[in-house]
Amino acid sequence: GAGVSQSPSNKVTEKGKDVELRCDPISGHTALYWYRQSLGQGLEFLIYFQGNSAPDKSGLPSDRFSAERTGGSVSTLTIQRTQQEDSAVYLCASKPGYTDTQYFGPGTRLTVL
Amino acid sequence: AQSVTQPDIHITVSEGASLELRCNYSYGATPYLFWYVQSPGQGLQLLLKYFSGDTLVQGIKGFEAEFKRSQSSFNLRKPSVHWSDAAEYFCAVGVYNAGNMLTFGGGTRLMVKP
Repeated sequence: GAGVSQSPSNKVTEKGKDVELRCDPISGHTALYWYRQSLGQGLEFLIYFQGNSAPDKSGLPSDRFSAERTGGSVSTLTIQRTQQEDSAVYLCASKPGYTDTQYFGPGTRLTVL
Repeated sequence: AQSVTQPDIHITVSEGASLELRCNYSYGATPYLFWYVQSPGQGLQLLLKYFSGDTLVQGIKGFEAEFKRSQSSFNLRKPSVHWSDAAEYFCAVGVYNAGNMLTFGGGTRLMVKP
């Protein structure tokens, strides 16, 4: 079946611009995660959605970062006023409710010039 | 808070040789432990996981890992490495009942010599 998909695969933007990154989880998966992979920080958790519950935003690095999940499916990660340190690969993962295994998408490589 | 350490940033082995990648974790209870592999330009693929029970777990592609509570370790092993195993390997710990978000180690990049 289809895995987790993310778009765009690559995004180049100028410092100060806003960007939106999209994640389509595996159908039926109730949990959705965003992670960031950067040279300096490695792989780090950003935000977690579970069903209709309020998201766990404890990993967001600043208030420039936000995310939403519409209809319990597609999620969008928004970064406002991008900075060069936001350059990274943003990974999305989803998980069904009955297991603890997360399935990762291919990521979006964000480059802020 | 939990943490994961992968002491080896880079490892180079000859094709056909055995492999062991080290992973140490810090967590107050029994953790959920995972090994993921990332090939260049690809997302993370799950190799294996440990939740409970038998401390030696088998995964895909001929990999296995052993959970040792006394050493807080979850080392990944493979008896004979293939050139296609060249990739970056990440150990991770998940926290049950806290959303299961993963805390990753820094990764080990494996290179395979012909």
